Amino acid sequence: DAKTTQPPSMDCAEGRAANLPCNHSTISGNEYVYWYRQIHSQGPQYIIHGLKNNETNEMASLIITEDRKSSTLILPHATLRDTAVYYCLNTGTASKLTFGTGTRLQVTL
Amino acid sequence: NAGVMQNPRHLVRRRGQEARLRCSPMKGHSHVYWYRQLPEEGLKFMVYLQKENIIDESGMPKERFSAEFPKEGPSILRIQQVVRGDSAAYFCASSPPSLQGGEQFFGPGTRLTVL
Repeated sequence: DAKTTQPPSMDCAEGRAANLPCNHSTISGNEYVYWYRQIHSQGPQYIIHGLKNNETNEMASLIITEDRKSSTLILPHATLRDTAVYYCLNTGTASKLTFGTGTRLQVTL
Repeated sequence: NAGVMQNPRHLVRRRGQEARLRCSPMKGHSHVYWYRQLPEEGLKFMVYLQKENIIDESGMPKERFSAEFPKEGPSILRIQQVVRGDSAAYFCASSPPSLQGGEQFFGPGTRLTVL
């Protein structure tokens, strides 16, 4: 079973920042927080990951709380092409990704 | 650098037939993972393989399903005597050798329909 909880759906206006929350209160010390997304029925796409520090790449920013029990994925300027299901996962070195039901982000004009 | 390749993209089988799904990992990747996604559900892990070795098959059904990743050639997910409940999208992912296993690159999937 997934060890993370996410809201089932969110809306965001195009051009605005999309902030997607995730709770992972049972995360263990050696587990990373990973974010993936799945656009329509394509294969999931890796977005970003972090351990305890905030991270930023060309796609998004990841903010992890100090106690590591929750995180937020930020898409700074959402576009229609960012409409997708976003998955937050915890994993250590075991390599098995456990996907929950994710958050369905709808970006609108 | 080509991404993860899967074929066929769509596969139709009648009940009782065999389905063979192929996955070619990205160049330089020696780790392969298979996931299954039933309609309107999230992805479920099935099996994790390295060359010639099954590392974790905890998500594989006990019967009819098998997977291999030979020294040469693609990884194969084989489903014998398919049933309607096997209809799903099957995704393969690959990753390079790493202490951190979470960054996986997914293929486009094979959509299996069992009639």
